[in-house]
Amino acid sequence: DTGVSQDPRHKITKRGQNVTFRCDPISEHNRLYWYRQTLGQGPEFLTYFQNEAQLEKSRLLSDRFSAERPKGSFSTLEIQRTEQGDSAMYLCASSLAGGAGQYFGPGTRLTVT
Amino acid sequence: TQLLEQSPQFLSIQEGENLTVYCNSSSVFSSLQWYRQEPGEGPVLLVTVVTGGEVKKLKRLTFQFGDARKDSSLHITAAQPGDTGLYLCAGAWGYQKVTFGIGTKLQVIP
Repeated sequence: DTGVSQDPRHKITKRGQNVTFRCDPISEHNRLYWYRQTLGQGPEFLTYFQNEAQLEKSRLLSDRFSAERPKGSFSTLEIQRTEQGDSAMYLCASSLAGGAGQYFGPGTRLTVT
Repeated sequence: TQLLEQSPQFLSIQEGENLTVYCNSSSVFSSLQWYRQEPGEGPVLLVTVVTGGEVKKLKRLTFQFGDARKDSSLHITAAQPGDTGLYLCAGAWGYQKVTFGIGTKLQVIP
């Protein structure tokens, strides 16, 4: 399977705990994106990388959120001191620079209790 | 501010019927993408349109990009239960940061 993969698929955590999600993009894609999606809404942009450089961060990405892509391959998204409002589906997508369209992973469903 | 408006938000039709969903914006896009998403899964790219007036066909699905590159439509002919899902349009500018619409939730009843 050469698609985008995300791990874990589901995460339940207590408020105040830290969580980390991983995304493995399609291997030849140099762009990687993180989105958040809540029920009844389309995906909302969080941040994007070209290779290892984080080029843009949304205002939705508070100080408790951090994303890395250390070697330009996989990426991690960490949420510190989780809050109930962080409950959502976190989606990762990848694409080629200049390519048309993004390819999404299956998402990580986060539930903060 | 929602930059992309999709209509209708919900659509329930009988198998075999035709339907059209719309994606509208006041912004001009460098490209526009349509995705289909099933519950609990990530969106799946259906098509990208880049040229004003462009029409693309994918089996029973026909996608059109408006002449001014501000709007798009998706037409499904003879809908099947397997077409059920959330249809999302996404507009892209420049380096491909995309903004998604809220989606059209389609249910095709056998």
